[in-house]
Amino acid sequence: AQSVTQLDSHVSVSEGTPVLLRCNYSSSYSPSLFWYVQHPNKGLQLLLKYTSAATLVKGINGFEAEFKKSETSFHLTKPSAHMSDAAEYFCVVRGGYGNKLVFGAGTILRVKS
Amino acid sequence: DAGITQSPRHKVTETGTPVTLRCHQTENHRYMYWYRQDPGHGLRLIHYSYGVKDTDKGEVSDGYSVSRSKTEDFLLTLESATSSQTSVYFCAISERAGSLSDEQFFGPGTRLTVL
Repeated sequence: AQSVTQLDSHVSVSEGTPVLLRCNYSSSYSPSLFWYVQHPNKGLQLLLKYTSAATLVKGINGFEAEFKKSETSFHLTKPSAHMSDAAEYFCVVRGGYGNKLVFGAGTILRVKS
Repeated sequence: DAGITQSPRHKVTETGTPVTLRCHQTENHRYMYWYRQDPGHGLRLIHYSYGVKDTDKGEVSDGYSVSRSKTEDFLLTLESATSSQTSVYFCAISERAGSLSDEQFFGPGTRLTVL
């Protein structure tokens, strides 16, 4: 069965500093992986997705993630945090037939001014 | 934004009462999903549909039923609501399931409180 583990429930950074949100996955086959973002009291928006093409995936708003099979990781990074990046981020793996998604528990990103 | 609406957006109900949540889409996507979101659990799949009248269970389906009589509508019913079903419910849609690059689009959510 597919699963994801987000290693930090909360991350706090200062505006202008790098962001690193960590995610490890477990999958019995080559996975499809996603990062979604949820701003307070909002729905979910896709940031980026990995589907066995390039291992470094670029997303919206300057975010990117690198797929590392040897480490079973898919960490999300951004070189310079902005106040508007404050939100909850979910690492997600596709979970089999029907395009079902399996979500991590989420990481709340706080950006300090 | 994908054309997905959920109704109601907020609901407070009492234990033991039936509740129906509606998801409506204007994208003509084949696949529709219901998730619940709870702190520390991310989103968990309740039920999904892969076509009109075709539905299947997700990982947390106990106490929930669904129906899909039209492509555009996917209903989630709590036959007898319990306090453990207090949650935020999200509907999602996707056009395909076989493609490795398909994306799910999410609705705005329904906040349900069971007293």
